[in-house]
Amino acid sequence: DTGVSQDPRHKITKRGQNVTFRCDPISEHNRLYWYRQTLGQGPEFLTYFQNEAQLEKSRLLSDRFSAERPKGSFSTLEIQRTEQGDSAMYLCASSYGSNQPQHFGDGTRLSIL
Amino acid sequence: GEDVEQSLFLSVREGDSSVINCTYTDSSSTYLYWYKQEPGAGLQLLTYIFSNMDMKQDQRLTVLLNKKDKHLSLRIADTQTGDSAIYFCAESSGNQGGKLIFGQGTELSVKP
Repeated sequence: DTGVSQDPRHKITKRGQNVTFRCDPISEHNRLYWYRQTLGQGPEFLTYFQNEAQLEKSRLLSDRFSAERPKGSFSTLEIQRTEQGDSAMYLCASSYGSNQPQHFGDGTRLSIL
Repeated sequence: GEDVEQSLFLSVREGDSSVINCTYTDSSSTYLYWYKQEPGAGLQLLTYIFSNMDMKQDQRLTVLLNKKDKHLSLRIADTQTGDSAIYFCAESSGNQGGKLIFGQGTELSVKP
C-alpha cells in the first residue's frame, strides 16, 4: 500500500529564488490538500483540490504561491521569489472524499538562506 | 473563526496512562481527528471520531467526545517510550470542504 509521497524531503534555497514541490497522493484519492507547518505550530491549511479542480485557497496563500493538479493525480506547489518567512514544512495530504480521513506525506522542509 | 486548543506539554512514566485534551469551537464539526508527529516526519493518523459518537476505542487508544462542551480527549493506555511524540487534535466540517483545523500540538514525553 503506497502512501502519500512528497519530493524533495528537504530544499535549501536563497531568498528570491523559485521553488517547486511535488506531491503524489494515494492513487484512488480524489482530494488533495496542502498545508504549511512552522516550528512549534500545528499545520495550517493552504489549498485543496477535488480531482483537477482547485476548490479553495487560504488567505495565507499569497500571489507568490501557485498550486496545480493537472490530471487529477499528482500536484505541484510553486513558490516564486521566496522570502525568509516561507521557511516551513510543506505537507500534502489526500483523502477519498471530503469527510474521510486525510493521510499525510512526510513533508518538504524548505529553508530560505 | 474556528479554533482548536491543546495544552502544550504532558510528561508521564512508562506504563502509566496518558490523557491528552483538546477543545474546539466549531459546532458544525463533523469529524475530529488525532494525529501523531515524530521529529522530522509527517503526520500519522491515529484515530478519528464522528461527531455523533461519544467514545471510540482502538487497542490502546480511547477517544472521548463531549459535544456539549466541545471537548475531545485521547487516552493512551500503558504508555511506552515509543509513544513520545507531538499529538495533534484536528477538526473538520463539511461546511469547510473537509479542510482540517489543527491545534498547536501536545508534546508527550514518556520517561522510563
